[in-house]
Amino acid sequence: NAGVTQTPKFRILKIGQSMTLQCTQDMNHNYMYWYRQDPGMGLKLIYYSVGAGITDKGEVPNGYNVSRSTTEDFPLRLELAAPSQTSVYFCASRRQGGGTDTQYFGPGTRLTVL
Amino acid sequence: GNSVTQMEGPVTLSEEAFLTINCTYTATGYPSLFWYVQYPGEGLQLLLKATKADDKGSNKGFEATYRKETTSFHLEKGSVQVSDSAVYFCALSDVTNAGKSTFGDGTTLTVKP
Repeated sequence: NAGVTQTPKFRILKIGQSMTLQCTQDMNHNYMYWYRQDPGMGLKLIYYSVGAGITDKGEVPNGYNVSRSTTEDFPLRLELAAPSQTSVYFCASRRQGGGTDTQYFGPGTRLTVL
Repeated sequence: GNSVTQMEGPVTLSEEAFLTINCTYTATGYPSLFWYVQYPGEGLQLLLKATKADDKGSNKGFEATYRKETTSFHLEKGSVQVSDSAVYFCALSDVTNAGKSTFGDGTTLTVKP
């Protein structure tokens, strides 16, 4: 199993540009999450999904959109990039049920908006 | 809402020293508690977890006990190694709310030979 994979690893955007951060997991997990990590800070939840076709906002959703058309994929869309979106973005997944609540993280995408 | 407060860093220790990183939390209900470790340029990896009061999580010589009375989950290791140098995050997860997690700000540990 590859676990949780994210692409790209690095990206530089200009203000106002758009992009999609890709996230794929091969563990058949129902739950998926997007976090951002600002320097010296913990992770903040952007959006999450409890299954294909179901998404909901987290703590810091403004400026982002998500979709979940399949169990495996959970892309994060940035529209009109702003310098405040410079951060490292992590995708995570979790299995539903069985009493387990461990999240598995991807390696992250480092985004700079200039 | 839920929150996690971690001991501020950075923390610098000599090899074989004793490590404590404090973590306290505020939550409604009965969350699960976690310690994650992040090595440079990588994502977070689960270090240990505890799912109910008085549970002790342990892994690779690290330990933490879920203390409901003090709402704490302090991380300890008896003898640190240079390879333990990383950023450590305390987190809680609310399984009744889609397993959404709340993270502390992280504590950077540097171990010198």
